[in-house]
Amino acid sequence: GQNIDQPTEMTATEGAIVQINCTYQTSGFNGLFWYQQHAGEAPTFLSYNVLDGLEEKGRFSSFLSRSKGYSYLLLKELQMKDSASYLCALANQAGTALIFGKGTTLSVSS
Amino acid sequence: DAGVIQSPRHEVTEMGQEVTLRCKPISGHNSLFWYRQTMMRGLELLIYFNNNVPIDDSGMPEDRFSAKMPNASFSTLKIQPSEPRDSAVYFCASSPRGAEQEKLFFGSGTQLSVL
Repeated sequence: GQNIDQPTEMTATEGAIVQINCTYQTSGFNGLFWYQQHAGEAPTFLSYNVLDGLEEKGRFSSFLSRSKGYSYLLLKELQMKDSASYLCALANQAGTALIFGKGTTLSVSS
Repeated sequence: DAGVIQSPRHEVTEMGQEVTLRCKPISGHNSLFWYRQTMMRGLELLIYFNNNVPIDDSGMPEDRFSAKMPNASFSTLKIQPSEPRDSAVYFCASSPRGAEQEKLFFGSGTQLSVL
């Protein structure tokens, strides 16, 4: 089976840096994903990690440590529009579908 | 590209009624997924299809739920009879072939309220 844990809520201020952590347990690792979901909208793809290390994409970076069952999403130069839910997801054992965590709701204030 | 198209956008029905949710995936995508999202349980995978064939329906909560994909451009999720606890946002998603097969493209969702 698979289990994913994320903090429920986080708050930060504009211009700051925030790190959203995700820990997981899985019997077969096939990749870890981060999705962003604004209130009332559908989730959209942010990043994908299959090897250990940091993947940088503009203001967003994602880190993976497979040995520790740990990932984080790093958001720099926060903007108000970054207020959203951030979902950590694992590919299932067959590598054919995604299993999502419950998400972390990030509130960015001025 | 129109993206994944779901209908209806909102559905309000009474307990015991049949509900049918519809989804048109992105053309050329070979995998289709149905998810349900609630505050308590988050985003749950219900069922997914590969090349129109159901691969895993272990997430379907009960026999009241059924899903079909008669062709590559259309899928339905049916609840019969519906119950208040089925109230949720139901998302359909599709994914392309190859290396990005797990990069899901979601539809706008159907907000279902069962009274």
